[in-house]
Amino acid sequence: AQSVAQPEDQVNVAEGNPLTVKCTYSVSGNPYLFWYVQYPNRGLQFLLKYITGDNLVKGSYGFEAEFNKSQTSFHLKKPSALVSDSALYFCAVRDGPGTYKYIFGTGTRLKVLA
Amino acid sequence: DGGITQSPKYLFRKEGQNVTLSCEQNLNHDAMYWYRQDPGQGLRLIYYSQIVNDFQKGDIAEGYSVSREKKESFPLTVTSAQKNPTAFYLCASSTTGTQGNYGYTFGSGTRLTVV
Repeated sequence: AQSVAQPEDQVNVAEGNPLTVKCTYSVSGNPYLFWYVQYPNRGLQFLLKYITGDNLVKGSYGFEAEFNKSQTSFHLKKPSALVSDSALYFCAVRDGPGTYKYIFGTGTRLKVLA
Repeated sequence: DGGITQSPKYLFRKEGQNVTLSCEQNLNHDAMYWYRQDPGQGLRLIYYSQIVNDFQKGDIAEGYSVSREKKESFPLTVTSAQKNPTAFYLCASSTTGTQGNYGYTFGSGTRLTVV
């Protein structure tokens, strides 16, 4: 069965420091991986995705993610965190080959401290 | 602009009452989804629909019902059988072509509270 895990409930980082939000997955076939961000009382917004190609994917708001097949990970990164990056982040993986349905991690709350 | 509209933004339900949450999209997406979000539990799938007049149960369908009479609309009814309905409800849609390359588009959510 397909699964996705976000091992950290919360990540705290100082403004200006690099940030990493972790995601690992287990799928059969090629993984289609997404990161979404959620601000309070709002829906999820697309940040970036990996379907195929370069392992380093660049997305919105200066975020990037690195696909690592051997470690089955897709960690979200940003070189310099902003207070406005504080939000809830979700990793998602396609729920099996040939499907358009996704399963979501439990979310990681990022808190950037001024 | 294309997107998904959920209404109302806030909804209050009395004990024993059925309430319906609206979800409308103008993205021409075939598939639509309803998720429930509780703190620390991420998103849990309630129902999804791949095509008009067809829908499937997700992981937590008990106490909920849906209909898909039009491609654009996928309303969710929270029935009195749902004993703990207080949560944030998210509607999403996606294409069914290209095997899921584009992920989901989400609405802005409805916060349901039992009073």
